[in-house]
Amino acid sequence: QLRLQESGPGLAKPSETLSLTCTVSGDSISSRSYYWGWIRQPPGEGLEWIGNIQHSGTTFYSASLRSRVTISIDMSRNQFSLTLSSLTSADTAIYYCYFSDGEPFVFDFWGQGTLVTVAS
Amino acid sequence: QSALTQPRSVSGSPGQSVTISCTGTNSDIGAYYYVSWYQQHPGKAPKLIISYVDKRPSEVPDRFSGSKSGNTASLTISGLQTEDEADYYCCSYAGGSNFGVFGGGTKLTVL
Repeated sequence: QLRLQESGPGLAKPSETLSLTCTVSGDSISSRSYYWGWIRQPPGEGLEWIGNIQHSGTTFYSASLRSRVTISIDMSRNQFSLTLSSLTSADTAIYYCYFSDGEPFVFDFWGQGTLVTVAS
Repeated sequence: QSALTQPRSVSGSPGQSVTISCTGTNSDIGAYYYVSWYQQHPGKAPKLIISYVDKRPSEVPDRFSGSKSGNTASLTISGLQTEDEADYYCCSYAGGSNFGVFGGGTKLTVL
């Protein structure tokens, strides 16, 4: 069974760059035409789509975050990653990784999420 | 402010039915059949319960159903059960590479 697990620092400083990793188990990250992506949720608030990547390396990003976001994939480690630069307190959120089986508009399965707090 | 508009809360008694609305525009919900719904219990990750307006994953009970009319999508939960108490989020494709615009979420209370 496919399992996604986020990892990264729980605390980051303003103006710095955040790096998060999602480790995939139960299937190969390159075995199908999945989309692998990230969604975030500020504490007590709603969901925001960040972006996704295919195993080919093709990426798509939210227009509001595009200038600060990079998503990459490491097939040798069965992982994909998110970097978010120029952090502010508004980036404090639970960050979820997910996959889409086929079409990129449906977020089929999610990791448990990791809380990132941006504070000095 | 979320791109899609949902009521902040709805409630119902066990066995009853409730409907949660999700209003967008003719650039998102009105333009595509790529509307999905997610259920989120406290402290848990969201879970897909409806995709493509009205398609249920096999593991989701048929008490959950979706529909769309114009710029508004709806999620109906019939035969309410206590475990249905959760937050529900709608989501729509909005064109180009904007794969997911979400509603602000609706808290369902089962009285």
